[in-house]
Amino acid sequence: DAKTTQPPSMDCAEGRAANLPCNHSTISGNEYVYWYRQIHSQGPQYIIHGLKNNETNEMASLIITEDRKSSTLILPHATLRDTAVYYCIVRVDYTGNQFYFGTGTSLTVIP
Amino acid sequence: DAGITQSPRHKVTETGTPVTLRCHQTENHRYMYWYRQDPGHGLRLIHYSYGVKDTDKGEVSDGYSVSRSKTEDFLLTLESATSSQTSVYFCAISDRYGEPYEQYFGPGTRLTVT
Repeated sequence: DAKTTQPPSMDCAEGRAANLPCNHSTISGNEYVYWYRQIHSQGPQYIIHGLKNNETNEMASLIITEDRKSSTLILPHATLRDTAVYYCIVRVDYTGNQFYFGTGTSLTVIP
Repeated sequence: DAGITQSPRHKVTETGTPVTLRCHQTENHRYMYWYRQDPGHGLRLIHYSYGVKDTDKGEVSDGYSVSRSKTEDFLLTLESATSSQTSVYFCAISDRYGEPYEQYFGPGTRLTVT
């Protein structure tokens, strides 16, 4: 099973880049890395996913190491609205579309 | 929330009573999921459905049952609610099997069992 490890909390100054790390040392070659976030009391929101290459979309960038054992989600210019819990997920079950969310990283963006 | 509604949004019930939570989607997505979220545990999958009348257990299925008679509705039932089932429940949907795929989440139902 590929599991993920994230720091429980981080702070970031408003306007600066937020870099959220994730370790997934047992990931298999065909498993994607997904990032979701959850703003207080709301349902989780998809951010980005990647397999081997770095990915970028309108919300964030995802940097995956060459050995695929870790990744970093980058929010280039953090705003107060980016304060949320961020989940790094690797799907571990192939009998269904099951995600295992874990406890994530609580990011606080400071004015 | 990607055309997903959950009802009720808040409910307080007594131990031993049956409770049914409803998830309704307007996206015609095939896959639907029920999660619960508790402090210190993140989100944990309860049950999921991969089509009408096709469901399976997730990580924490004990004490819960589900039904899906229509593509758009996925019901979660607590046959006899217990205080340990006090939680926030989220429904999610997705439209494909096999990676990569996204799950879209509903707004959640806060359930309190007294």
